[in-house]
Formats: sequence, C-alpha cells, structure tokens
Amino acid sequence: GENVEQHPSTLSVQEGDSAVIKCTYSDSASNYFPWYKQELGKGPQLIIDIRSNVGEKKDQRIAVTLNKTAKHFSLHITETQPEDSAVYFCAAISSGTYKYIFGTGTRLKVLA
Amino acid sequence: NAGVTQTPKFQVLKTGQSMTLQCAQDMNHNSMYWYRQDPGMGLRLIYYSASEGTTDKGEVPNGYNVSRLNKREFSLRLESAAPSQTSVYFCASSEAGRAYNEQFFGPGTRLTVL
Repeated sequence: GENVEQHPSTLSVQEGDSAVIKCTYSDSASNYFPWYKQELGKGPQLIIDIRSNVGEKKDQRIAVTLNKTAKHFSLHITETQPEDSAVYFCAAISSGTYKYIFGTGTRLKVLA
Repeated sequence: NAGVTQTPKFQVLKTGQSMTLQCAQDMNHNSMYWYRQDPGMGLRLIYYSASEGTTDKGEVPNGYNVSRLNKREFSLRLESAAPSQTSVYFCASSEAGRAYNEQFFGPGTRLTVL
C-alpha cells in the first residue's frame, strides 16, 4: 500500500543553524505534500505545502522542495529558533482522494 | 471561532468498557476525520466523513464506530475498549474531502485502556 518514510526521527540543532527533514513517498499518483507542525499537547497545524507542479516553495524561514522523479520532498528551516522545537509530520495525498498518508514524524530540538 | 474542539481531553477506561469521543467544528467544513497517533507510527486514519450523512473506513477502523450527527459534529465510539486502543485521538476537518484542502486538527484526546 501507500507509504511515506520520514527521516530523521529526531534532530537536534543549535539555535541559528538550519534543519532539514526528508520524506519519501511510494504512490506515484501523489500530487500534494503538506507539512504539519505539532507542538506539545496540541494538534498538528499546517505550516507549508507544495503541489506536484512546483519544485520549491518558500515562506520566510521555511521552504519545501519536491523531486517527483525520485519521489522525495524535504522541509528546510533556516535560522532556527527555540520556538521551532516541535514534532514535524510530512504527508502525501493523491488527487481526488481524502486519504492523507502521514510520515512517522521528526522531533526537532533547537538548542539555545 | 473555536475551530475544532474535542471532549474529553483525557480518559482512562478498563478493558471492555465503552465510550464516545466527541468532536465539533465551527468552520462550516464538509469533511471530518478521526485519526489515532501512536509513538513511531505517525497519524493513522480511522474513519472519514466526506459530508453530512456519509462515513467511510480509513486505515485502522476495527474496534471503532462513528456517527456524523450533523455538519458540525462527528463522534467516535469504542464499543468494547482494548489495551491496543490506548492512543491519542485527533479529530480534523476540511472544507472538502479532496487534496489541496488543509485539514484542521483538534487538540486531541489522550485515552488509556487498562
């Protein structure tokens, strides 16, 4: 069945450094790739997304890149801050379906 | 505008007991979802409701039932709780059940089954 692999499971970076989280999907029909941030004790919240007809999207300190050929997409956070500490989930969705396939999550710790 | 609300926030059950998790959204969304979150396994879809009056099974529906009471409310019922159902449960909603539609999540219900 459809699968999304996410790496690493944990990531520690120094404040001000960059963080990169990578996901690989299996369903070639996937065409929408959102990223969610989950803070402690809260539900996930969308932070950025990308559609399959775009290779890169930026929003201030965060960016997402997509390589459809390799079925890879990545989240990049620059100039990390302590408030970036959270669990991040990637997901892949196929057009015309409701079914989000989530990755297993990455716990990011930004060390002050 | 409260978004997606869930009750209760915490619950402890004994094996075999039943309970209903409540979810409501005030964003006039058509689609609603129930997920469970387990360590190392991400979020897995239990049931989905594309619109009022319709429900569909997700990835892990066994042991659960749902009711789409109206457009706002979507409940999840455990008829006979098992320790394997210990998890954090999230309700979510979206404008429509299609790709490109952001899913908005509630704060979650932490359930422990002894």
